[in-house]
Amino acid sequence: GAGVSQSPSNKVTEKGKDVELRCDPISGHTALYWYRQSLGQGLEFLIYFQGNSAPDKSGLPSDRFSAERTGGSVSTLTIQRTQQEDSAVYLCASSRRTELFFGPGTRLTVL
Amino acid sequence: DAKTTQPPSMDCAEGRAANLPCNHSTISGNEYVYWYRQIHSQGPQYIIHGLKNNETNEMASLIITEDRKSSTLILPHATLRDTAVYYCIVRPDIIQGAQKLVFGQGTRLTINP
Repeated sequence: GAGVSQSPSNKVTEKGKDVELRCDPISGHTALYWYRQSLGQGLEFLIYFQGNSAPDKSGLPSDRFSAERTGGSVSTLTIQRTQQEDSAVYLCASSRRTELFFGPGTRLTVL
Repeated sequence: DAKTTQPPSMDCAEGRAANLPCNHSTISGNEYVYWYRQIHSQGPQYIIHGLKNNETNEMASLIITEDRKSSTLILPHATLRDTAVYYCIVRPDIIQGAQKLVFGQGTRLTINP
């Protein structure tokens, strides 16, 4: 079937606004991961879900960041009161067991 | 925290074998060695993984030393499309529960014509 999809592909917002990023994992994949990658930097882990629960939220940079997953499928990453340092590519990945499949990412630009 | 050490960059001529080293001297007995790569402006792509035996698939070969403290990813006939950042990661087997992948800085491999 289809791979991991993310929407929007690009998002430009003003400082202080809230944004929602969506991830549709591969059907049947129980684990879902969020990462972000700032320009020229490596991948930074944010959070992962096993089913609808999030055993590891250690990478969320502040309480402005939250994520949820419903029905063991779609996940939404919400950033409140965006700051310029939030500008990055946000990547979602899903897996059933071993291999992580990454989506194309959402490029977030905070002006 | 990444538990691996890789050279920041490497070059290889097109058509030659690219050998990418990785040190993981603190690897635990239940941790696998994974390799991913990230081509510019794309999400990372799984390449291969192994525990202690050498592994081969259609993309690459993975050679793990007997003491498991280091490994080498081999791209047997590199092409220009293999230009990417290659990440070596250690991680427990997924059957123990979903485990995050911790990416280090990786090796930027450039394939030259």
